Amino acid sequence: SQTIHQWPATLVQPVGSPLSLECTVEGTSNPNLYWYRQAAGRGLQLLFYSVGIGQISSEVPQNLSASRPQDRQFILSSKKLLLSDSGFYLCAWTSGTDTQYFGPGTRLTVL
Amino acid sequence: AQSVTQLDSHVSVSEGTPVLLRCNYSSSYSPSLFWYVQHPNKGLQLLLKYTSAATLVKGINGFEAEFKKSETSFHLTKPSAHMSDAAEYFCVVSGRGATNKLIFGTGTLLAVQP
Repeated sequence: SQTIHQWPATLVQPVGSPLSLECTVEGTSNPNLYWYRQAAGRGLQLLFYSVGIGQISSEVPQNLSASRPQDRQFILSSKKLLLSDSGFYLCAWTSGTDTQYFGPGTRLTVL
Repeated sequence: AQSVTQLDSHVSVSEGTPVLLRCNYSSSYSPSLFWYVQHPNKGLQLLLKYTSAATLVKGINGFEAEFKKSETSFHLTKPSAHMSDAAEYFCVVSGRGATNKLIFGTGTLLAVQP
């Protein structure tokens, strides 16, 4: 069966520090991968999606970037965090259907 | 373009009473429709999915949803609420194309009172 992992689960970072969040999927190949952010009191915002290795589409211009170095690995990065980057980050995958399956999320607090 | 509207941002019910979470959608084609649930500080879990095979869709944990094309609605129901149902619920419509992007409602926070 397929599983999706995200780490770290929680992260507290100072403003201006770099960021790297990782998402990996097991049990499937060539998935579509997605990064979402959920800010406090707001809905889900799609940040990036990828349909294959090295293929990244950005939905919202921002301080973040994404990479897909391997088929089942999706990384969310920033060179310098802003206060507004705080939120709950969710990774999701889909393969062959339009049903997305979500990871457990990473709670990022920027101080 | 596709859109989804969740008509209530907060719903409060007593344990053992029915749950109704309302969702209306707009789409220029026949989309897939989903309900996801999110418990605090957790990822989203798929409750159920409508794909035009049957208008009444049964999901996990006793939830079900009925697709009504004439009303463009996809309301989520459960006959008897349990304390563990307290969570945020998202109604979602599928986008078009190979990217499989989803359009999310703003969520309904369900509170269950003892």
